[in-house]
Amino acid sequence: EIVMTQSPATLSVSPGERATLSCRASQSVGSNLAWYQQKPGQAPRLLIYITSTRATGIPARFSGSGSGTEFTLTISSLQSEDFAVYYCQQYNIWPRSFGQGTKVEIK
Amino acid sequence: QVQLHQWGAGLLKPSETLSLTCGVSGGSFSGYYWSWIRQPPGKGLEWIGEMNYSGITNYNPSLKTRVTISLDTSKNQFSLKLTSVTAADTAVYYCARGPYISVWGQGTLVTVSS
Repeated sequence: EIVMTQSPATLSVSPGERATLSCRASQSVGSNLAWYQQKPGQAPRLLIYITSTRATGIPARFSGSGSGTEFTLTISSLQSEDFAVYYCQQYNIWPRSFGQGTKVEIK
Repeated sequence: QVQLHQWGAGLLKPSETLSLTCGVSGGSFSGYYWSWIRQPPGKGLEWIGEMNYSGITNYNPSLKTRVTISLDTSKNQFSLKLTSVTAADTAVYYCARGPYISVWGQGTLVTVSS
């Protein structure tokens, strides 16, 4: 089973600043890595798949990078609606697995 | 635009069987993995398992002995059964289209309590 580890657990950022979230896999997942955003009381929303492809309707300020075991989600200039919890997920090997999440909060 | 709508009992007693169904509208079953994911209150996401159009299933090993996912293409539905539930199974359960989850159901809070 692949363990996904996200860091930091909480990221305090001011609006307009850049946020960088990390996700590490316990073994290679190739490029089969997705990122999700979740707000309270809502289902998660797909942001990025295949490491760096933005899902439909996702603003260009969200970008993903990495490969193998190290991945990054970057939000170039945080907007008020971006404060949420972010999860990474590998879908390369069964069982699929999620990271524990990074909460992006207002500084 | 594919949409998922799920339903099922929200309150169970320990040892009972959790049963949820997810209706698929606006799209085809083929080419995707039809998944169930859960989220305990205040915690992260846990992948339960999935089935593809060919009927191949994959389950989380931690739940494998208790989980069954099935597909009914004639009704455009897929279902989750989880047997012998305990309080640890209390969570919001989501149906979803995978393998990366591009479509989510609305979620169902299932509470296990005596």
